[in-house]
Order: sequence, then structure tokens, then C-alpha cells
Amino acid sequence: GDSVTQMEGPVTLSEEAFLTINCTYTATGYPSLFWYVQYPGEGLQLLLKATKADDKGSNKGFEATYRKETTSFHLEKGSVQVSDSAVYFCALSVGGNEKLTFGTGTRLTIIP
Amino acid sequence: DAGVIQSPRHEVTEMGQEVTLRCKPISGHNSLFWYRQTMMRGLELLIYFNNNVPIDDSGMPEDRFSAKMPNASFSTLKIQPSEPRDSAVYFCASSSRSALNEQFFGPGTRLTVL
Repeated sequence: GDSVTQMEGPVTLSEEAFLTINCTYTATGYPSLFWYVQYPGEGLQLLLKATKADDKGSNKGFEATYRKETTSFHLEKGSVQVSDSAVYFCALSVGGNEKLTFGTGTRLTIIP
Repeated sequence: DAGVIQSPRHEVTEMGQEVTLRCKPISGHNSLFWYRQTMMRGLELLIYFNNNVPIDDSGMPEDRFSAKMPNASFSTLKIQPSEPRDSAVYFCASSSRSALNEQFFGPGTRLTVL
């Protein structure tokens, strides 16, 4: 079946540090890949996505590149801010199926 | 658009009582999802509907849980009878093919069963 494996958290970084959250996947077909973010007390919201190999999704300074050869979609940001503190979820969907398969989430805390 | 609307935002009830959670998806979206989130189990998909028809209910934990979608603008998730282990945050999300399967989440209902 389809699955997503995320880097275990929690992750704590100082402001302006470089961030990487690893995500790898297995899929029965050709997936679309997503990163969702959940701020405290809120629902998840889409951060970025990529629908085919070598595509780069980007938003709010975050980036992730769809790597088919390594089945990965790692999230990166060059300089994190306190406001980036949240839980980050990697997810995939296959074909025309609107169902998303989520990873377990990675809690990120940025300290000033 | 108002986004996905869920009610109530908070619910505290006693074990054995019936609980009904409500969701209004974004207008024009044809898929609706119910999730449960706990610290122990993370985010779990309970059930999803496409064009008001249940497609996959394999995540519904047991017969105490039921979900309906009588029309395109309303869905309910019912727990009867409720148990303390049902305490969680329940999210509703909606999506459409035209939005390339991006799911839009509601703010959630925090359920506490005493």
C-alpha cells in the first residue's frame, strides 16, 4: 500500500537556522506530493505541493523537490522564524484518488 | 468563501452520551473527509465521501461511529455511545478535482468524553 515516512520529531532550532525535515514515500502508482502545516489550535493547511518528478514546490520561504529516484520530498527552509513553529505533515495522493496518505507529522519549535 | 465550517468547536460530554459533530464543506467541493487527531495515534482518516456517497469507511473505529452526508453542503459524524477513548480533535476537510486534490481543513472540534 501507499505510505509516507517522516523524520521523527520534535525538532528544535534557533531562529535563522537552516531547516530540513525528511520525507520518503512508497506508492503503488505515480503520486502527487504535499506538505501541510498545522499551527497551534488550527486545522491543517497546504504549504506546498509537487505533482511530477523534479518539480519544486515553494511557499513562504519553504521548498521541497520531488525526487523520484530517491522517493523523497524533503522540506527545507534557509532561515526559520519563531512563527514557523508548527507541526508539519508530508502527504501523497495517487492518480485521481483525492484521498491523502499522511505521515505522522513533525513538530518544529523555533526558539528566539 | 468562509472555508470549511465545523460545529461545535468544543464538546464536553459524559461517557455513554451521544455526540454529533457537524461539518459544512466549501461550496462546490465534491469530496469530504473526516479525520481524528490524538497525541497517541496522530492523524487518522475515518471516512470520506465523494459526491455525497461514502467511498472508504475503513478507518471508522467501530460500530459506535457513523457518518452521513445527506447533501452536498452538510455532513455529520455521530458517536453513540461515547467513551473516554474517543476524546480527540475531529477535523473535517473538503476538496475538489479542480483544486488538484488540495484538501481544505476546518478548525476542528475538540471532543472530551468524561
